[in-house]
Order: sequence, then C-alpha cells, then structure tokens
Amino acid sequence: EDQVTQSPEALRLQEGESSSLNCSYTVSGLRGLFWYRQDPGKGPEFLFTLYSAGEEKEKERLKATLTKKESFLHITAPKPEDSATYLCAVQAGGKYNFNKFYFGSGTKLNVKP
Amino acid sequence: AAGVIQSPRHLIKEKRETATLKCYPIPRHDTVYWYQQGPGQDPQFLISFYEKMQSDKGSIPDRFSAQQFSDYHSELNMSSLELGDSALYFCASSLESGDTQYFGPGTRLTVL
Repeated sequence: EDQVTQSPEALRLQEGESSSLNCSYTVSGLRGLFWYRQDPGKGPEFLFTLYSAGEEKEKERLKATLTKKESFLHITAPKPEDSATYLCAVQAGGKYNFNKFYFGSGTKLNVKP
Repeated sequence: AAGVIQSPRHLIKEKRETATLKCYPIPRHDTVYWYQQGPGQDPQFLISFYEKMQSDKGSIPDRFSAQQFSDYHSELNMSSLELGDSALYFCASSLESGDTQYFGPGTRLTVL
C-alpha cells in the first residue's frame, strides 16, 4: 500500500539551531516527491520537487535531499519566520494513479527566538 | 505571478444544504485537483481533472461532484451537507497532469 510518513510530528528549535525533517515513503514507482510549507489557515506553498535518488535542491535556509526510501528537509540556522507545518507529498507512478498525490501528516516546526 | 484563485474564501451553510466552491487555476494550467483538509489533518485528495475530463478520484463522497469547464476553471458541488464536511477545501493546479501542484488559498466551509 502506498504510504507517506513524516517525522517528527512536531519539532521545537531555538533560533539558529539546525535540524532535519524526515519523509519516508513506500509507493509503487516514485514519479516525484514534493515539499510544501503550510501556514495555519492557508494553502500549502510549494518549496521543492525531487525526482530521483541523489537529487538535492536548496532555497535559502532549506535543503531537500532524496534517497530511494526517504527524503530529508534540512533547515540551517532557522529563524522564527520558518515556523510552519512542512508537508511532504509523493506522486506515485503506475498506469492508473499517476495523478494521485499522497500527503504525509506533516511536521509542525516551531522556532523560538 | 498569478496564483490559483478560490471563491468564496469562507462559506457557512446549514446541514442538508448545498454548496458550490469555485477554483480558477493558474493561466495555462490544464489540470485541477481538489483536496479536503480537516483540522490538524493533512490534505486528503478528492478528485482531479485533466483537460476537462476527470482523471482520478480519491476519497470524494457520493454527495459531492465536480467538473472542469472549457476555460479550465473547476467547481466542486456539495449536497446534503453534514457537520463533518466542515473543513478547508483546497484547489491546486498544475501545468501538465502529474506536474508540480500549486495550491490556492482555500475555502473554509463551516456546516452548522
């Protein structure tokens, strides 16, 4: 069964304290892995797309990496404005479900000044 | 840059009433997705359309229906509303079917 699991569920960091969020997946034929940031009551904001193992992408303090089983979102020297829920979504391959995205339950990040 | 537009942003309905949510995708995007997000939950995929035809179906109740029109905007019709339908409803669009999805700001539906 296709599944996406994110850990930890919640993470509290001090400003400047680097850490990583994990997204592990079991899907039949990964076509893409997506990271989103979501603020309360707002739509998910697109961050990164990763397509193949070994791929890395960076944007400001964020860096996403992908292996065959999981993805990491590394946050370097976070600031309070990085506080949000970070969602991972996986697009499964296959003949009948290539349009379906599976979301993880998210990691709620709280960065204290 | 233009983003996904959803209307209305907030909607309050009584039980058993009907509701229609609208989604206007990013220009040139031909694929639209609908999601339901309950409090503290991740978005749950409902249904998607590609080039005006339904392309995939998720956990959409039979009371709900949707379509995509010739201008690529989409509408989600919800009938016989229940208290449990109260949630944020997001629409997302992508340039091609299976490409990165960009989300709208959502419609908050409250069923009383």
